[in-house]
Amino acid sequence: EAQVTQNPRYLITVTGKKLTVTCSQNMNHEYMSWYRQDPGLGLRQIYYSMNVEVTDKGDVPEGYKVSRKEKRNFPLILESPSPNQTSLYFCASSHDPGVGEQFFGPGTRLTVL
Amino acid sequence: TQLLEQSPQFLSIQEGENLTVYCNSSSVFSSLQWYRQEPGEGPVLLVTVVTGGEVKKLKRLTFQFGDARKDSSLHITAAQTGDTGLYLCAGVFRRAGGTSYGKLTFGQGTILTVHP
Repeated sequence: EAQVTQNPRYLITVTGKKLTVTCSQNMNHEYMSWYRQDPGLGLRQIYYSMNVEVTDKGDVPEGYKVSRKEKRNFPLILESPSPNQTSLYFCASSHDPGVGEQFFGPGTRLTVL
Repeated sequence: TQLLEQSPQFLSIQEGENLTVYCNSSSVFSSLQWYRQEPGEGPVLLVTVVTGGEVKKLKRLTFQFGDARKDSSLHITAAQTGDTGLYLCAGVFRRAGGTSYGKLTFGQGTILTVHP
C-alpha cells in the first residue's frame, strides 16, 4: 500500500530535550516536505526537499533541522524544543508538488512542556 | 513570503444549501491546489488547477482559478452532511524554466459544518 508513515504519532516532551520525528514514504517520490498545523493558521511549511541531499527552508524553519540522506526518509529534528513548537506536524511526499498530489502522513501530535 | 487569504474561516449551513470558499493572494501562483482534511487525518487532495481561468468539476464541487492566477474559489452545490470538514487551499510557486520550485503556501483553512 502506497503510504507516508510518521513516528511517533504522539509525543510529550520537555523543553530542551532533543527529539526526532521520522517520516518515510514507499512511493519513490523525489519531493518531501514537513508542515506544522496550528488552529487558525492552516498548514505552514517548515522545510522541503526536492531530492536526496537537497533541502530548502519553508516559511517557518527556525528551531528545526532536516536531512535527506535517502530518498524514502526525511526526518525532522528539534535540537532544543520549546513550548512554541507544540503543534501537529505533517510529513508529505509527491512526485511533483506543482501538479501532482501530495500524500500526507497521519500526523504527529507534539507537546513540549 | 507569499500569503494566501482564505475565507470564510467558518461556515455553518443546512443540508441542501450552496456555498463558496475563496482563496486570494497578491502573488501569482504557478498552480493552486484544494485539499480536504478530516479530524485526526492528513489533508487529501481534491483538485489541482494550473491554467488561469480554468474550471474543474468534481461531482458537486466546482473549482475555479482566476484569470491572473492570484485567486481561486471552491463552490459546493447542494451541500451534504458528508461534506463537513476542513478545506484548505495551497499555492505552488515554480521557478522560471518550468522545474518545480517546491515551496507551498497554505491558506488558513475553512471549517465547514453541514447540518442535517
